[in-house]
This record gives sequence, structure tokens and C-alpha cells, in this order.
Amino acid sequence: SAVISQKPSRDICQRGTSLTIQCQVDSQVTMMFWYRQQPGQSLTLIATANQGSEATYESGFVIDKFPISRPNLTFSTLTVSNMSPEDSSIYLCSVDGDRGTEAFFGQGTRLTVV
Amino acid sequence: SQKIEQNSEALNIQEGKTATLTCNYTNYSPAYLQWYRQDPGRGPVFLLLIRENEKEKRKERLKVTFDTTLKQSLFHITASQPADSATYLCALNPMDSNYQLIWGAGTKLIIKP
Repeated sequence: SAVISQKPSRDICQRGTSLTIQCQVDSQVTMMFWYRQQPGQSLTLIATANQGSEATYESGFVIDKFPISRPNLTFSTLTVSNMSPEDSSIYLCSVDGDRGTEAFFGQGTRLTVV
Repeated sequence: SQKIEQNSEALNIQEGKTATLTCNYTNYSPAYLQWYRQDPGRGPVFLLLIRENEKEKRKERLKVTFDTTLKQSLFHITASQPADSATYLCALNPMDSNYQLIWGAGTKLIIKP
């Protein structure tokens, strides 16, 4: 199993500003995943972050809006840039378990943009 | 189109009864199907995984079934307790994807004492 610390747990931000979310894992992992979860909706994968290479973004998400860093095998950040109220959501980081199947999550960041 | 469906309405169950949640999918060939629990303000927590060649998996009071003909998984909690109240998410690993999980929106379960 993996223990993931994510922060901040929540924030209220002004539109037009940026927020960086941090994710720390207690073990080295190859891939880290960033999700968005809007109320009543399923988790949507934003991007996959590999150490030493650029993140791979899913359709509908771009690097300019959601820049990701992955400086080492235990840490990643997701920045939500130039925020608008539509960015209000829960953002989650995740890693795969040892068996490469089940996922482990941080506690999430509840972002409200006003 | 490809999609996963879970009942969006909350499920209210009396304590001690069995709660059954449904996950239906279309246009996928899952290698695995997984169930997670999510409490308010927390990330999802893995509960059970069932493979496409398995019919049933159990863990304590939890049971998952997987019917690839019906394209459906059922998640059962027996002897339900108020502490089981949470949102339960299903997710599947498509056979043509080596890592990406596809998620349902979840069903909120409320166990009444």
C-alpha cells in the first residue's frame, strides 16, 4: 500500500489566480495520476506524471492550464492556473498499488474559485 | 459510447440488512473491475478487485459479483452498519489500457440505525 499526503486540503481562491497542489508519497512510484472530481460526477483523469519526463495530458486538459511537476519519484505538484469558477472541484492525486491494479489516493483538495 | 453507470440516487438501507449496489458498463471489455469507498472530504479507498474471469469475490462482510454477459457488477454489504454509510465507486481497467481506470460517479449509501 501507499500513503499519500496531499495539501492543501481546501482553499478558496480569487478568479485569475493560480493554486499549486502538492502530493507526497511515502514510497517511490513510477507514475502519479491527477484527477478532478466535480460534485456528483465521476473522477476524470487530468494527466499522468512520470519522473523525468513531461506529463501526459488527457483530452480536454492542457499543460498551460494544469502545469505539473514531478521532480522525483515521491513528489508531484499540480497547478491550476488562471482560475475561473468552473475550476471549482476536488482535485486528487493517486498512485498505483504494488500489484499495479488498485489505486491509492490522497485526501483531495477542495478548491472553490470565487 | 463507452460509459459506466451507477445509481445516482442515494440508497437507504436499514441497519442489519444487506445493501446491494449496482455498476453497469457498456462498450468496455474490462480486465478488472474495482470497488472503492469514498467518505466526504476524503479520497477513494480501495475495497475489492474482481477479474474478468472471476464470478465472485468476498472480503469479510463485502461481496462483489461480476457478470461479463450482463456487463454488470454487484457490490453487497451484509449485516450493514451505520459506519458503512459512504459513497461507493466502481472503476474498471479496460483490457486495451495498461493503467488507466475508468470511473463511475458513485452511489451514496445511507445505513439507518
